[in-house]
Amino acid sequence: EAQVTQNPRYLITVTGKKLTVTCSQNMNHEYMSWYRQDPGLGLRQIYYSMNVEVTDKGDVPEGYKVSRKEKRNFPLILESPSPNQTSLYFCASSLLWGRGAGGRAHNEQFFGPGTRLTVL
Amino acid sequence: TQLLEQSPQFLSIQEGENLTVYCNSSSVFSSLQWYRQEPGEGPVLLVTVVTGGEVKKLKRLTFQFGDARKDSSLHITAAQPGDTGLYLCAGNPTGTASKLTFGTGTRLQVTL
Repeated sequence: EAQVTQNPRYLITVTGKKLTVTCSQNMNHEYMSWYRQDPGLGLRQIYYSMNVEVTDKGDVPEGYKVSRKEKRNFPLILESPSPNQTSLYFCASSLLWGRGAGGRAHNEQFFGPGTRLTVL
Repeated sequence: TQLLEQSPQFLSIQEGENLTVYCNSSSVFSSLQWYRQEPGEGPVLLVTVVTGGEVKKLKRLTFQFGDARKDSSLHITAAQPGDTGLYLCAGNPTGTASKLTFGTGTRLQVTL
């Protein structure tokens, strides 16, 4: 079954304690991305990766790190979590190039189930 | 500044009613997508519109992409309780294939 998996699904931690949220996809997608979802602010992109060893900042990268050593995995690292990072996090993957005319990128995302993080 | 503005933010209607959700921007998009998200789950792609003026139908859902590729709408005919959820539009601004921008969402509740 084609899917994006995230672990853990729920995490409560304390300020400053390093954590990693894992993300894995089995669809051989080039593109992977992390989002956070907050009430009233919608989904905001944290980091994205267009392929192995290629990562770039999204709209809200401060306080986060990522790595893309393998095509299927894209972990999100919080080196020193703070309470303002309490949020619902989603990992997503996609083929970068869609099926449209001229091969334009559509970036149709497959999302994981989410990780609810609380930082005390 | 939100690149994609959705309206309305909240919508509560009764089963059988029709509704339209709007997604507007001052930027041109190479494509726009619509997703539906249910509580406790990640967003699921409904449709992608690519060509200005394009209309796509998915059963009772009709999606339209504006002629200038700056806006889109989602129309639901005869809404059902199963349509309840958060509807999100998302798009790639022209020339930024790697960055997908999401609207703030429209939360729809359909009651019996």
